[in-house]
Amino acid sequence: DAGVTQSPTHLIKTRGQHVTLRCSPISGHKSVSWYQQVLGQGPQFIFQYYEKEERGRGNFPDRFSARQFPNYSSELNVNALLLGDSALYLCASRHDRDGYTFGSGTRLTVV
Amino acid sequence: GEDVEQSLFLSVREGDSSVINCTYTDSSSTYLYWYKQEPGAGLQLLTYIFSNMDMKQDQRLTVLLNKKDKHLSLRIADTQTGDSAIYFCAESIAGNMLTFGGGTRLMVKP
Repeated sequence: DAGVTQSPTHLIKTRGQHVTLRCSPISGHKSVSWYQQVLGQGPQFIFQYYEKEERGRGNFPDRFSARQFPNYSSELNVNALLLGDSALYLCASRHDRDGYTFGSGTRLTVV
Repeated sequence: GEDVEQSLFLSVREGDSSVINCTYTDSSSTYLYWYKQEPGAGLQLLTYIFSNMDMKQDQRLTVLLNKKDKHLSLRIADTQTGDSAIYFCAESIAGNMLTFGGGTRLMVKP
C-alpha cells in the first residue's frame, strides 16, 4: 500500500510568489493535517481537515490556506511568500484512532 | 497552554539502552506519540500511548507515562547505529492536532 504521498518533493520560489503543495492520504484515511517544520525545530500545526471540512487551524497568517477534495487529497496554498516560509511542509493522514502517518514532505526554499 | 519539552541531545554506545525524556503541560492530552526523523526525511511513527496507560512495550521500544508529573519517556533497548536520528514526542487532545517537542538528537557510537 502506498503511504502518504506529497508533491513536489522540492521547490524553489521567489519572495512574493504563490505556491501550492499537494498531498494524497493513505487509502481510506479521511483526516489530513498539514505541518510546517523549520530547520532545527519540531513541526508546527497549520491545518487539519476531516471529510472536506476544516477541523483546526494553527497560528499562521491568512496567507496560508488549504482545502480537501472529495477523494480526501489535500492542497496547501501559501500566498505572498516570505523568506521565513522556507521550511519542510509535512502532510499527515489518520484513520480513526490510529496514529498519524506522515509523508516525506515538500522542502520549500524561498529566495 | 500547550508546551512540550525535550532535551536536545543524547549520545550512547552501540548495544546500550537509550532513554529519551519528554515533559508536557496539557493535562487534557489523550494521546502521546513518539516519532523518528532521519536526515532529509519525514516523520516515522514509532509508537503511541493512550493517557490511561502507564506503559507500552513494542519489541525494543518501551514507553513509560507518568501522568502525575506529565513525563513521558522512550527507552530503546540494544541501541544500534541505525537508531541515530532525531526523536520527537508529541501530544494531542482527542486525536486532534499534534503539538511537538523540539526533538532529541540521538547519536549512537560504534
